[in-house]
Amino acid sequence: QKEVEQNSGPLSVPEGAIASLNCTYSDRGSQSFFWYRQYSGKSPELIMFIYSNGDKEDGRFTAQLNKASQYVSLLIRDSQPSDSATYLCAVNGHTNAGKSTFGDGTTLTVKP
Amino acid sequence: DTAVSQTPKYLVTQMGNDKSIKCEQNLGHDTMYWYKQDSKKFLKIMFSYNNKELIINETVPNRFSPKSPDKAHLNLHINSLELGDSAVYFCASSQDTVSGNTIYFGEGSWLTVV
Repeated sequence: QKEVEQNSGPLSVPEGAIASLNCTYSDRGSQSFFWYRQYSGKSPELIMFIYSNGDKEDGRFTAQLNKASQYVSLLIRDSQPSDSATYLCAVNGHTNAGKSTFGDGTTLTVKP
Repeated sequence: DTAVSQTPKYLVTQMGNDKSIKCEQNLGHDTMYWYKQDSKKFLKIMFSYNNKELIINETVPNRFSPKSPDKAHLNLHINSLELGDSAVYFCASSQDTVSGNTIYFGEGSWLTVV
């Protein structure tokens, strides 16, 4: 079992729809959870992080964390073509010296 | 000013050669990393240094040798390059090793071994 798993995608949604990206992790002691966005040919950039169970909203983005289910998700409301990218889920444990373990990423395409 | 800068951005070289990639961060961070992203886009950590000290060394061939002359620099030297080394190598940094720290990535170095 991979430490961090994401829907392999690709995920395609129409412009204006809600895109839902999912991630599960195996280390129950994980404490910090991140979503990075990576445009083709570019480096990953952080868009959201979440530490506590529940929802965290930032503009059109909402991260949801359920530690009991070891599940973290990212919702993108009112999806725009500019949201088309690969989204990487990253998880940090509490004893891993800051190491982030990344999922394989989900490629999102928003169609105009 | 670029926060995490790495050079070269593109590198094409022959099998068996030795090459280096340099990285510098001007964020004042204590921790630096090297990540490898293969053709399937899987991003995997290779090394991590905290204040010039190696703290993470994943299962990486010993042909790869990181060097950190100071906490703002982390270079990667690769000996006897192989075809399978072709990938994008990302340097990154974070404030320190605390679990919740954001990682800031450089722009990547595209290595192609022919």
